[in-house]
Amino acid sequence: DIQMTQSPSSVSASIGDRVTITCRASQGLDSWLAWYQQKPGKAPKLLISTASSLQSGVPSRFSGSGSGTDFSLTITSLQPEDFATYFCQQAHTFPITFGQGTRLEI
Amino acid sequence: QVRLVESGGGVVQPGKSLRLSCAASGFDFNSNGMHWVRQAPGKGLEWVSIVSSDGRNKHYADSVKGRFIISRDNSKNTVYLQMNSLRPEDTAVYFCAKDEGYSGILDNWGQGTLVTVSA
Repeated sequence: DIQMTQSPSSVSASIGDRVTITCRASQGLDSWLAWYQQKPGKAPKLLISTASSLQSGVPSRFSGSGSGTDFSLTITSLQPEDFATYFCQQAHTFPITFGQGTRLEI
Repeated sequence: QVRLVESGGGVVQPGKSLRLSCAASGFDFNSNGMHWVRQAPGKGLEWVSIVSSDGRNKHYADSVKGRFIISRDNSKNTVYLQMNSLRPEDTAVYFCAKDEGYSGILDNWGQGTLVTVSA
């Protein structure tokens, strides 16, 4: 199975800050990587597919980059609603696997 | 808009069975793969299974292979997860999710149903 390792596990930031979360895969994914946002008690929400494709309705302060084994999610100018947990997920090979999550705290 | 509504969760004893359902609406159900993903209390996301749009192709996580069965009824716009030989470690919120096609990208999620396996 492909192992997904996110870092950091948690990060503290302030409104208006820029934050970058990284995700490393144990083998190459091409661009088959997605990022999800999850708020407490809610379902995950797809933010970015195929490494850098922003989903419709997702603010442009979110961006994704990378290919192969190293990927990142960047949020510029943090807003109050961005404080949540973020997961990466590889869609290259079954079984699908997720990173362990990054909790973004104020 | 896409709507996915899970049902069937509850408290069940170890070794017993439970069937989850996910009713879908707002898109052409016949065109998309469907997934189940679970999340144990306070933990991360664990992918469980996928079924292709025509129901012929299925994949499972190793942790549930041989115990869980995914299926779908396209006439009812519903996907199912039959869970057998349940273990305490299967306790989780189970989410149903729609695939973009059959890409492994989960573009819409239900709100989840809680399954608790306990004596």
